[in-house]
Amino acid sequence: EVQLVQSGVEVKKPGESLKISCKGSGFSFTTNWIGWVRQMPGKGLEWMGLIYPGDSDTRYSPSFQGQVTISADKSISTVYLEWSSLKASDTAMYYCARQDTLKLFDYWGQGTLVSVSS
Amino acid sequence: DIQMTQSPSTLSASVGDRVTITCRASQSISSWLAWYQQKPGKAPKLLIYKASSLESGVPSRFSGGGSGTEFTLTISSLQPDDFATYYCQQYHSWTFGQGTKVEIK
Repeated sequence: EVQLVQSGVEVKKPGESLKISCKGSGFSFTTNWIGWVRQMPGKGLEWMGLIYPGDSDTRYSPSFQGQVTISADKSISTVYLEWSSLKASDTAMYYCARQDTLKLFDYWGQGTLVSVSS
Repeated sequence: DIQMTQSPSTLSASVGDRVTITCRASQSISSWLAWYQQKPGKAPKLLIYKASSLESGVPSRFSGGGSGTEFTLTISSLQPDDFATYYCQQYHSWTFGQGTKVEIK
């Protein structure tokens, strides 16, 4: 069974750093792109970027380039989304999703809620 | 970047209604479009891929159509479980439409 399991709720202060994770199982982790999607409170879905864990090739949305870092550790089938200095506007639910060549995002993680407040 | 525009933003309908949501791309994307359903507090769920292919396990009342720049998601007979928000997404640069909320009339 394909599963993507994300790390838990995070409550942080502005300026702090954060790395959240998404662990895959039940599929070939190194031969599927994994993407990250942001959903701000009450808003729509925004594609942030993708990584290919096999060689760590990464693509970013222009809106998120330079704002976050996506990385992967294929030895533990895990991808990460990282911020070096959080802002209140980073408060959102973050989803990881597996990209299938034909189907686009066919499996999703359960989401990680990030709350940033002073 | 390719922009995706959905209409309407909100749709009020009754159980049993036929409902159609439109998604327009700012340039041709051939048939490279997916549709998702999202319920409050849940992750999105894939419904349709490559514009018109029904994902396994999705009820046949859902159908997708279109190519190039104009696409549709149709629910042939709206069921209580279908009240949700629907998003389109294109494959070229992964952008989503802004979403269409289907609510009870």
